[in-house]
Amino acid sequence: KNEVEQSPQNLTAQEGEFITINCSYSVGISALHWLQQHPGGGIVSLFMLSSGKKKHGRLIATINIQEKHSSLHITASHPRDSAVYICVNFGNEKLTFGTGTRLTIIP
Amino acid sequence: EADIYQTPRYLVIGTGKKITLECSQTMGHDKMYWYQQDPGMELHLIHYSYGVNSTEKGDLSSESTVSRIRTEHFPLTLESARPSHTSQYLCASSEIVQDFISPLHFGNGTRLTVT
Repeated sequence: KNEVEQSPQNLTAQEGEFITINCSYSVGISALHWLQQHPGGGIVSLFMLSSGKKKHGRLIATINIQEKHSSLHITASHPRDSAVYICVNFGNEKLTFGTGTRLTIIP
Repeated sequence: EADIYQTPRYLVIGTGKKITLECSQTMGHDKMYWYQQDPGMELHLIHYSYGVNSTEKGDLSSESTVSRIRTEHFPLTLESARPSHTSQYLCASSEIVQDFISPLHFGNGTRLTVT
């Protein structure tokens, strides 16, 4: 059983919609990363957070340490946001990857 | 601009050949990782290193080997490639210094095809 669970696994939405991707983990963290992987395979680190909330452009990441839960939000979604989003638990010097959420934004 | 480099980007090779996938980073990170990813699937950790002369096998069994003779260099070697090794291989690095945790940095990956 993966210690990091993401939902949904697949998400298709219309351009402009507000998107939420969820990540739940079962063991303590030092930090939680949100990654974006485009169809070409390249991976970009979007956020790294261990508490609270971070915002970068249209992307917002939040984390609730007590509930062991993090969310990634995308406002005013755009087709170029189509990618796989992966959360990564960086805890006790071990990285545990979520299964990923495949997001498709339709124009 | 990438601070972690993987070569080659694409490789097509015949069964039985020995290959080495290169990964180098310029950030001085102690922690480096190799992941294997089949199309549309999860990343699986196959090897990691927490510093020079430190290497460990990851969660996914792999017939590859790694070495870490220098901080910046973490090559992965397949002694005898097989079609089952066809996959994408991603290298990553990070750092923890006291309470400071650096973001993960990924290379662009090597897409390996074994015929």
